[in-house]
Amino acid sequence: QVQLQESGPGLVKPSQTLSLTCTVSGGSISSGDYYWSWIRQPPGKGLEWIGYIYYSGSTYYNPSLKSRVTISVDTSKNQFSLKLSSVTAADTAVYYCARVDYVLWYFDLWGRGTLVTVSS
Amino acid sequence: QPVLTQPPSSSASPGESARLTCTLPSDINVGSYNIYWYQQKPGSPPRYLLYYYSDSDKGQGSGVPSRFSGSKDASANTGILLISGLQSEDEADYYCMIWPSNAPVVFGGGTKLTVL
Repeated sequence: QVQLQESGPGLVKPSQTLSLTCTVSGGSISSGDYYWSWIRQPPGKGLEWIGYIYYSGSTYYNPSLKSRVTISVDTSKNQFSLKLSSVTAADTAVYYCARVDYVLWYFDLWGRGTLVTVSS
Repeated sequence: QPVLTQPPSSSASPGESARLTCTLPSDINVGSYNIYWYQQKPGSPPRYLLYYYSDSDKGQGSGVPSRFSGSKDASANTGILLISGLQSEDEADYYCMIWPSNAPVVFGGGTKLTVL
């Protein structure tokens, strides 16, 4: 079955760029059957959607983060990635990658998440 | 960006029913949206439970028991998750979500359900 796995540094310094990758196994991003998304959750708090990407490279970002976010896709590696620039402590969160069912427009499959802490 | 309001906490005893609510802002009509519900247990990602638009347009997540069901209260502009026959394993955080067309996804703040 399809699985998603986040990877990347667990500690990022303030003002630097957070970079994460989501590897999709058991299915192909290039199939075009889904969109692919990033969502985050600060410790003890609720969920915040970051943005999504299609295999073609088209993206849509949360306006509240748009100026700092870049999501990209590498179909040859069956991966998509997140870059968040100029991070502060407020960006400390568990970051999830998720698959988007674009028939009903919801997140039907999630990675296990990875905690990223912003601290000097 | 709209905000979905969920009570921070709720509790009920095993075997009882729990009714979790998700209130939309007054300028957004609950009747126009699919309301999605997710369950999250500590240390785990959210798990999709179901969506509800109407009695004729709804869907259950794979493997989700039928004792989880959705509905709406149009008069209160609210989406509802009903969990009947509560079990200890239902203790979790529950999040509602809407995804407006050509607009950002919006999650509710979540309700922590305690099974007494």
